[in-house]
Amino acid sequence: QKEVEQNSGPLSVPEGAIASLNCTYSDRGSQSFFWYRQYSGKSPELIMFIYSNGDKEDGRFTAQLNKASQYVSLLIRDSQPSDSATYLCAVSPARQLTFGSGTQLTVLP
Amino acid sequence: NAGVMQNPRHLVRRRGQEARLRCSPMKGHSHVYWYRQLPEEGLKFMVYLQKENIIDESGMPKERFSAEFPKEGPSILRIQQVVRGDSAAYFCASSPGTGTPGELFFGEGSRLTVL
Repeated sequence: QKEVEQNSGPLSVPEGAIASLNCTYSDRGSQSFFWYRQYSGKSPELIMFIYSNGDKEDGRFTAQLNKASQYVSLLIRDSQPSDSATYLCAVSPARQLTFGSGTQLTVLP
Repeated sequence: NAGVMQNPRHLVRRRGQEARLRCSPMKGHSHVYWYRQLPEEGLKFMVYLQKENIIDESGMPKERFSAEFPKEGPSILRIQQVVRGDSAAYFCASSPGTGTPGELFFGEGSRLTVL
């Protein structure tokens, strides 16, 4: 059983739409949850992290966490073509991260 | 450049040769992590090191792979007797050891190709 699972994708949305990315995790001891973005051939870069149940907003990005359901999501509002990338969900029961396999997002102009 | 520096960016080896990948963490960071990414897959944790200590190597293959982070100099990921299945991107990340657990800063990666 995978420790961190993401919807397989690829996910395509039109420019200006809301992109919704989902992730579930198996380790109930996980305390911190992260979304990284990775452009093709590049290194992952941190977009957001969340600790507490509920929503956390940063600009066009909103992270949502439900620890009871072991579920974390990322919403991207007003999607732009520059948002086209692979989005990696990661959880942290310790200092190192456990990553999901990623969801490839394409925003169509 | 104050970011995480990895070299070489690209490395080609023949089966049976050794590969050495180097990582210099961000200034002020004392924690280093190595991850491997196979094509079309996510990042797989390999090893977590602090200066002169291996903290967690639970993701490291038992044979042929080793890592170190000496008191002076970069962290080294060493792969002996490489096989084609070792072909992957190897990412190093660093953190200061304080602040947000799990907030890692990644280098650009070293892409190993085994012929």
